[in-house]
Amino acid sequence: DAGITQSPRHKVTETGTPVTLRCHQTENHRYMYWYRQDPGHGLRLIHYSYGVKDTDKGEVSDGYSVSRSKTEDFLLTLESATSSQTSVYFCAISGPGQDGYTFGSGTRLTVV
Amino acid sequence: DAKTTQPPSMDCAEGRAANLPCNHSTISGNEYVYWYRQIHSQGPQYIIHGLKNNETNEMASLIITEDRKSSTLILPHATLRDTAVYYCIAAGGNRDDKIIFGKGTRLHILP
Repeated sequence: DAGITQSPRHKVTETGTPVTLRCHQTENHRYMYWYRQDPGHGLRLIHYSYGVKDTDKGEVSDGYSVSRSKTEDFLLTLESATSSQTSVYFCAISGPGQDGYTFGSGTRLTVV
Repeated sequence: DAKTTQPPSMDCAEGRAANLPCNHSTISGNEYVYWYRQIHSQGPQYIIHGLKNNETNEMASLIITEDRKSSTLILPHATLRDTAVYYCIAAGGNRDDKIIFGKGTRLHILP
């Protein structure tokens, strides 16, 4: 979607390796979110950020960490990837003058 | 857990109005009703939201009952491109209040 970019779009990694997903926005919005989506579970919130260096946990934060050193970038790190973290990961942003969240196109992560 | 209840699936004929119901009987006074949709493999897309009054935009209309315990999303003239999963969400108006998604309603538009 315009103003929000996720990278990479697809990634295959091995169990036990660290993985970092990037969410980049050009809207200068304060709020950023990471969700994962799995069949049968819908979208679940992992972590979110309400400003630079201000982050908090969501529903399913175990095994994930995040960092936000700049307004435009929100990084999601899997410290040691497991097969249960195979999923589609969506980033979202929210800010003044915007109704609701704007979501990115997603990153499909496969852990083998 | 999601605070809303939606039917898992619905069908609607192309060109007809699609009426998607949502129950939110435990909604708080300061919580809005939000609707998003997700077309296959894409990120969710914001549709509309409201607090008490009915709302309309270029995509849809939102009808909220007077007691705010339920609402209906109306797509006035459904097209095949409206085939998607529709999520009804109750969330506060503050941006600190996070959007928690439920399972949604899978809407099939039939040609």
